[in-house]
Amino acid sequence: DGGITQSPKYLFRKEGQNVTLSCEQNLNHDAMYWYRQDPGQGLRLIYYSQIVNDFQKGDIAEGYSVSREKKESFPLTVTSAQKNPTAFYLCASTNRRVLPNQPQHFGDGTRLSIL
Amino acid sequence: RKEVEQDPGPFNVPEGATVAFNCTYSNSASQSFFWYRQDCRKEPKLLMSVYSSGNEDGRFTAQLNRASQYISLLIRDSKLSDSATYLCVVNSGAGSYQLTFGKGTKLSVIP
Repeated sequence: DGGITQSPKYLFRKEGQNVTLSCEQNLNHDAMYWYRQDPGQGLRLIYYSQIVNDFQKGDIAEGYSVSREKKESFPLTVTSAQKNPTAFYLCASTNRRVLPNQPQHFGDGTRLSIL
Repeated sequence: RKEVEQDPGPFNVPEGATVAFNCTYSNSASQSFFWYRQDCRKEPKLLMSVYSSGNEDGRFTAQLNRASQYISLLIRDSKLSDSATYLCVVNSGAGSYQLTFGKGTKLSVIP
């Protein structure tokens, strides 16, 4: 079945440590996104990528980094510069070849906590 | 002004009730509109797209009023399984693939 796979489901970060969240999709979607969700809050965009080898900062990119070396993969690194990393991280993708009303499809998320 | 605004609820309704959620958006250039459903500690899942002419999917009806920049979702004959948070989602402008999410309205359907 086509879909978006995020791993790990749960992740713990020690102070000063960088951690990387994986996101893989087999939907042949060009565009991929990373969001952060805090309890009782909406989704906030961290980074997005519309094509391979290109990505842009979202609303809250500080303390995060991404790469897009392959169409299928869009890993997110939470660096030690991100002082409040505890959140639910969601990866999404969409087919850019269709407009309007093109929704985004989500992976099942990674919960990151500080040790 | 918040870009996508929703009543946070919670809405507590008995089984079988009809419930309506409203949403307003600030970007008049937005072209794509959606309702997503998010269960507790899960990812958002697309419930339905919202079209200018209004659209219905079983017990769910979505309406769009572009002049008022207002979107609604009506759920008829509520089921226990409808309990979730409903997110109003709007694209970020003409031709944009970026989406802006409301904070969601929580629905609890009570037996």
